[in-house]
Parts: sequence; C-alpha cells; structure tokens
Amino acid sequence: AQSVTQPDIHITVSEGASLELRCNYSYGATPYLFWYVQSPGQGLQLLLKYFSGDTLVQGIKGFEAEFKRSQSSFNLRKPSVHWSDAAEYFCAVRSNFGNEKLTFGTGTRLTIIP
Amino acid sequence: KAGVTQTPRYLIKTRGQQVTLSCSPISGHRSVSWYQQTPGQGLQFLFEYFSETQRNKGNFPGRFSGRQFSNSRSEMNVSTLELGDSALYLCASRLDSLNTEAFFGQGTRLTVV
Repeated sequence: AQSVTQPDIHITVSEGASLELRCNYSYGATPYLFWYVQSPGQGLQLLLKYFSGDTLVQGIKGFEAEFKRSQSSFNLRKPSVHWSDAAEYFCAVRSNFGNEKLTFGTGTRLTIIP
Repeated sequence: KAGVTQTPRYLIKTRGQQVTLSCSPISGHRSVSWYQQTPGQGLQFLFEYFSETQRNKGNFPGRFSGRQFSNSRSEMNVSTLELGDSALYLCASRLDSLNTEAFFGQGTRLTVV
C-alpha cells in the first residue's frame, strides 16, 4: 500500500527566508507525486506535480520540488517566502496505473513571521 | 474555464439524518473523486466515479455512497449521520488519462449535531 510521511507538523519561517518542506513516500514503483496547498476553510490548490522525466519540477508561486528516487523523497522548496504563503501544505502520491486514489500526508502548517 | 463546484458550502444536520452533497466537475473531466478531511484522520479517499461507474472505493462504511450522472456531475450521500461524520468533504475532478492531475473544489463543510 502506498503511504506518505510529512515529518514536520508545523514550521515557522521569517518572511524572505528560504523554505523546505519534507515529504517521503512509500510505493512499489515510481509514483505520481503532488504538492497541494490549502488555506483555512478552502479546498486544495495544486502547486506542482511529478509524473516522469526531469526530477526537478517547477510549480506556481515560485515553488519547486525535487524527486529523489534513492531517498523516496519529494521535498518542496521556495527560495524566499512571502506572508501570503502561510497555509497548510500536503504532499500526495498516486499510483501510475491510472486509478484516481490520492494518498495524502498529514500536512505541514506553515507560519510566516515578519 | 470554471473550476470544480461543490454545493452547498456549509451544512448543519442532526445525528441520524441523511445528507446529499453535490459536485460539478470541470467541463470535459469525467473522473470525479471524493475525499473526507478531518483534524484527526486527515485527508482520506472515499470513492472515485468514472462514466457513471464507481471505479475505486476507500475504506468507509456503507453509509457513504455516491453516484455520477451522464454529465459527469456527482453526488455523495451519507445516511444515518453520526457526530464523527462532521468534516470537510472535498470533490476533485480529472481528465481521465495517465499524466493528469486532480483539481479540487472548495469543499462542503458538514457539521453533525
């Protein structure tokens, strides 16, 4: 069974500082990987995705993520955070067989301080 | 292009009642999935529908059911509501091909009292 681990429940960073959110997955083959962001009371917005190819993927809002097969990781990064980045971030995995079951991590809540 | 639309946004029901939630996918998307989000259990997959057929199901009791119509709109139903069913219910739609992503609606916040 596939699973996702986000080891950091809550992260606080200063505005303008760099950010890295960790994500580790468990899956028998190369999965499809996603990062979603959720503001309070809202749905999920897709930040970026990895299907195959280049292991460094660019997303919206200046985010990027790197797929590392050897570490079963898909960490999310941003060089300089803005106050509007405060939200909850979810890493998710889906099998590459086509069925639509996303398995999510428990999320990382990001707080930005001035 | 319009996104995924879920109605209603908020709902308050009494224990024992039943509830129906609606989801209109992005135009052209034929796969619709439902997820339950709670503080304790996080985001959990309920089921997926494609071409009016349930294609995949999560580990939820039979009180949770769904259906999909010929226009790809989907509904989910929860019967005999329990307090623990209070959650944000999210719907996602996707083009049904391999390298595509799911787009989520704003969710329906269900409160069971």
